[in-house]
Amino acid sequence: DAMVIQNPRYQVTQFGKPVTLSCSQTLNHNVMYWYQQKSSQAPKLLFHYYDKDFNNEADTPDNFQSRRPNTSFCFLDIRSPGLGDAAMYLCATSRGGGTSTDTQYFGPGTRLTVL
Amino acid sequence: AQSVTQLGSHVSVSEGALVLLRCNYSSSVPPYLFWYVQYPNQGLQLLLKYTSAATLVKGINDFEAEFKKSETSFHLTKPSAHMSDAAEYFCAVTSSGGYQKVTFGTGTKLQVIP
Repeated sequence: DAMVIQNPRYQVTQFGKPVTLSCSQTLNHNVMYWYQQKSSQAPKLLFHYYDKDFNNEADTPDNFQSRRPNTSFCFLDIRSPGLGDAAMYLCATSRGGGTSTDTQYFGPGTRLTVL
Repeated sequence: AQSVTQLGSHVSVSEGALVLLRCNYSSSVPPYLFWYVQYPNQGLQLLLKYTSAATLVKGINDFEAEFKKSETSFHLTKPSAHMSDAAEYFCAVTSSGGYQKVTFGTGTKLQVIP
């Protein structure tokens, strides 16, 4: 089945130690998104790629970076994780195009713990 | 700017009872509205979406929602709750553009009591 895959599902890192989360998709979608979701809160969009074009949300900290080496893969890099970065990180994809009704498909998420 | 407000962060219903989760939207242009469900430690799954084709939208697992422009509402309902419906539900609205930037509500946790 076509899907959005996130690895690992659970990630533990130390304060200040860089960490990379990965997302892959078999849907061949143009757009890939990264969301941060803290406990009992709504997902918050960090950035997205439309093909190779990177779009950062205005309030996303510089500590968060992303790479999309090809259509299938997208990575979230946290350069120096702080305790406040502990959260669930959700990857999503959508076909893109000119419609606002394009559906986003979410991966299962990676839960990041910062010690 | 567009936004959604979900009334009630926690809702409890008895198994077999009607489920009603409330969502009101604010939009200066015709909105596109979505309901997503999130099970513990899982990603979000689309339940249904409103795309202006029909005001009553049917989704998966017998959920449905009705778009009411006069009330700026898009409430989610299910006639009979199952234990498996216990999850968090997010209402969401999109902005226009070449991609779908979704604004989520704060979520409603549904508890189903046996």
